[in-house]
Amino acid sequence: DAGVIQSPRHEVTEMGQEVTLRCKPISGHNSLFWYRQTMMRGLELLIYFNNNVPIDDSGMPEDRFSAKMPNASFSTLKIQPSEPRDSAVYFCASRYTDTQYFGPGTRLTVL
Amino acid sequence: GENVEQHPSTLSVQEGDSAVIKCTYSDSASNYFPWYKQELGKRPQLIIDIRSNVGEKKDQRIAVTLNKTAKHFSLHITETQPEDSAVYFCAASIDSGGYQKVTFGTGTKLQVIP
Repeated sequence: DAGVIQSPRHEVTEMGQEVTLRCKPISGHNSLFWYRQTMMRGLELLIYFNNNVPIDDSGMPEDRFSAKMPNASFSTLKIQPSEPRDSAVYFCASRYTDTQYFGPGTRLTVL
Repeated sequence: GENVEQHPSTLSVQEGDSAVIKCTYSDSASNYFPWYKQELGKRPQLIIDIRSNVGEKKDQRIAVTLNKTAKHFSLHITETQPEDSAVYFCAASIDSGGYQKVTFGTGTKLQVIP
């Protein structure tokens, strides 16, 4: 299995632009998580889907952030409009039983 | 919500020595405690985990202990090697009926000096 796939791996954009991050979970995994990692705040859970349904989005920082999971094999995290403080590494993770498997992450830089 | 504290934030040990990282959690309902290793520029990867019905678990040079009463759990790495250098994260999870919410500690940067 290829593991969790994320794209793009790096994204540089200007403040105010829309950013879309993509994730393909491991086939057969029924839960998907989006995390944000920064030096200041560490690893934060943004949103969690179970069977494609958002279960907990309490970590989504504000209305500029939105996430969707239209089917079991694809999820997006969108930031509109982006701001410099959104610069971070965004990880997607999926799981079937206990263990969460992380994707390689998307390094986002907002200028 | 759950709060996980992790200490120390940085740890330097000589190669061959042991390293211990400690975490505390606040929610007594947490029942699953994974540990992740993250090398520079890489993704977090699970190295060991423990459930609340177990007090200790070992996997070669790595062990984890859990004290439910005190809400403490610790990672022990023996005979450290330079390739153990990384950031280690503990986490506490409430895992019930397919629902899992994981709260991560702030990480410990381990440096193993050859």
